[in-house]
Amino acid sequence: GQQVMQIPQYQHVQEGEDFTTYCNSSTTLSNIQWYKQRPGGHPVFLIQLVKSGEVKKQKRLTFQFGEAKKNSSLHITATQTTDVGTYFCAGRREYGNKLVFGAGTILRVKS
Amino acid sequence: ETGVTQSPTHLIKTRGQQVTLRCSSQSGHNTVSWYQQALGQGPQFIFQYYREEENGRGNFPPRFSGLQFPNYSSELNVNALELDDSALYLCASSYTGGSYNEQFFGPGTRLTVL
Repeated sequence: GQQVMQIPQYQHVQEGEDFTTYCNSSTTLSNIQWYKQRPGGHPVFLIQLVKSGEVKKQKRLTFQFGEAKKNSSLHITATQTTDVGTYFCAGRREYGNKLVFGAGTILRVKS
Repeated sequence: ETGVTQSPTHLIKTRGQQVTLRCSSQSGHNTVSWYQQALGQGPQFIFQYYREEENGRGNFPPRFSGLQFPNYSSELNVNALELDDSALYLCASSYTGGSYNEQFFGPGTRLTVL
């Protein structure tokens, strides 16, 4: 079945450093979504990418969708303590309703 | 706040019992998806309901069943509870029919099976 792998599992950075998490799907995706979950909270939608090679920015966050629509990345520039949480990618296949989540990357930021 | 509510917030059951979890979707949304999130893992898709019909299912046994009501709220039922069913159960509300598939998650129900 469809699998979505996410690396790294965990990253601990100094405030002000950059952070990147990578997502790889075993199958071609129709779209990919990114979510953030704070400790004790629920996933909160960040963005959806649909087009091959798409790049979207939200302030310090940059999201990319690979040319083959099988991988994606989230990059945070100059991390802040408010960026702490688990970042999940979630992929949807063509003609499918099932959203498959990666295991997430836990981000900790030292001030 | 997303406008998606779930009840109860916490629940403790014993093996073999049955449980019903409830979800009220966000106003204007017609689709509800249910996920199981074990500790330290990503949410796992259980199933989705659209127009009161099951509209996609993940790798969960038939003892996981659901309903969607005319007001688009939904229930998740789990029979014959097992210890491994202990998890956070999330529902997510969305609108099917547009080009954007953003899902709004509720706060979840934390189920503990003893």
